Amino acid sequence: DTAVSQTPKYLVTQMGNDKSIKCEQNLGHDTMYWYKQDSKKFLKIMFSYNNKELIINETVPNRFSPKSPDKAHLNLHINSLELGDSAVYFCASSQGRGSYNEQFFGPGTRLTVL
Amino acid sequence: KNEVEQSPQNLTAQEGEFITINCSYSVGISALHWLQQHPGGGIVSLFMLSSGKKKHGRLIATINIQEKHSSLHITASHPRDSAVYICAVASNTGKLIFGQGTTLQVKP
Repeated sequence: DTAVSQTPKYLVTQMGNDKSIKCEQNLGHDTMYWYKQDSKKFLKIMFSYNNKELIINETVPNRFSPKSPDKAHLNLHINSLELGDSAVYFCASSQGRGSYNEQFFGPGTRLTVL
Repeated sequence: KNEVEQSPQNLTAQEGEFITINCSYSVGISALHWLQQHPGGGIVSLFMLSSGKKKHGRLIATINIQEKHSSLHITASHPRDSAVYICAVASNTGKLIFGQGTTLQVKP
């Protein structure tokens, strides 16, 4: 069984569209994260949720809206997609809200905006 | 300047060589992570440490909190070790801050 899964794996879309990426973890963890990896492979935190509560919200355009329906799921909705949103988006989870806890990463979603 | 700096950025080694990747940081931290990103893109956690040294198989990670420095060593390197190695610090603000990664290629 996959511990942290993301769908879709690849997403190609036009500028201006709205899209969602889904993440699910079956590890029983209470904290989930979204990271963005740019073309230079540099990773940066976007959001973190602990027990469905938003605890980290980095300087991310408000076109990005995370939603956590329960502690096993953290989805990322992106409105009005722009060329600069093209990147690989990783979901991760950990037990405990501190970033000193081991994190388990999903396989990533490669988003290409045309 | 990034808050987390890794060196070297790129490293090519011959199979069997001893490899060291360095990580320096400038922020207060509660722990430091070493991650491995496979050529296929998946990321796995190798180590999480807050002091001293940890060993797992041929991998060794050390940290010096006073000097704000960590090293990842690979002994008897193998082509399957080829990957991007990423240092990430758990900052006192509660978020992970990543280095830019070190791309390692081990040639047979």
